[in-house]
Amino acid sequence: SYVLTQPPSVSVAPGQTARITCGGDNIGSESVHWYQQKPGQAPVVVVYDDSDRPSGIPERFSGSNSGNTATLTISRVEAGDEADYYCQVWNSSSHHSVFGTGTKVTVL
Amino acid sequence: EVQLVESGGVVVQPGGSLRLSCAASGFTFDDYTMHWVRQAPGKGLEWVSLISWDGGSTYSADSVKGRFTISRDNSKNSLFLQMNSLRTEDTALYYCAKAFGYSYGLGIDYWGQGTLVIVSS
Repeated sequence: SYVLTQPPSVSVAPGQTARITCGGDNIGSESVHWYQQKPGQAPVVVVYDDSDRPSGIPERFSGSNSGNTATLTISRVEAGDEADYYCQVWNSSSHHSVFGTGTKVTVL
Repeated sequence: EVQLVESGGVVVQPGGSLRLSCAASGFTFDDYTMHWVRQAPGKGLEWVSLISWDGGSTYSADSVKGRFTISRDNSKNSLFLQMNSLRTEDTALYYCAKAFGYSYGLGIDYWGQGTLVIVSS
């Protein structure tokens, strides 16, 4: 089955840049979506189709996808960005949707 | 305003059955692929199942295949998950989720607040 691997945790100081990776076999050929989940809340999409942002999501959130790695970048990190982040793809060969293992972002 | 409201979560014994429902409003329900996604306590998100806009195609995770069945009633703007042969590892918060459109590769733009299923003797 298709597996998406994320680092368990990323720590970043306020105002700095956080980068969260999502590794998968030839993930660059799939559309990757990223979700933010705060404790006790449902997930919220922050980036979809590799690099598009829904309305209401700050420009500080950006995404890229190439080869075997997709990346979510959070610029000028704020305390309110502290959350769990998940990547997701639809794997067309297996007809399964897959979520990454999740990354906890801690703002120092 | 898009709303997804799940119901049906309860405590059930291993081997039992349960039917979850999701009432959708605020959008044209039969234009969109719909998902069920679950999250075990303290764990990550796990995709469960997907259904096409017209209900003609369904796909499920290997962990639930043959036990769970996703369905929809477009006349009632409702999504369902029939869960049979429940196991303790099915204990989770189950989210109803709407895709951006009808294509399976699109992301999820709206989530419900979830309904809790506990499988325990």
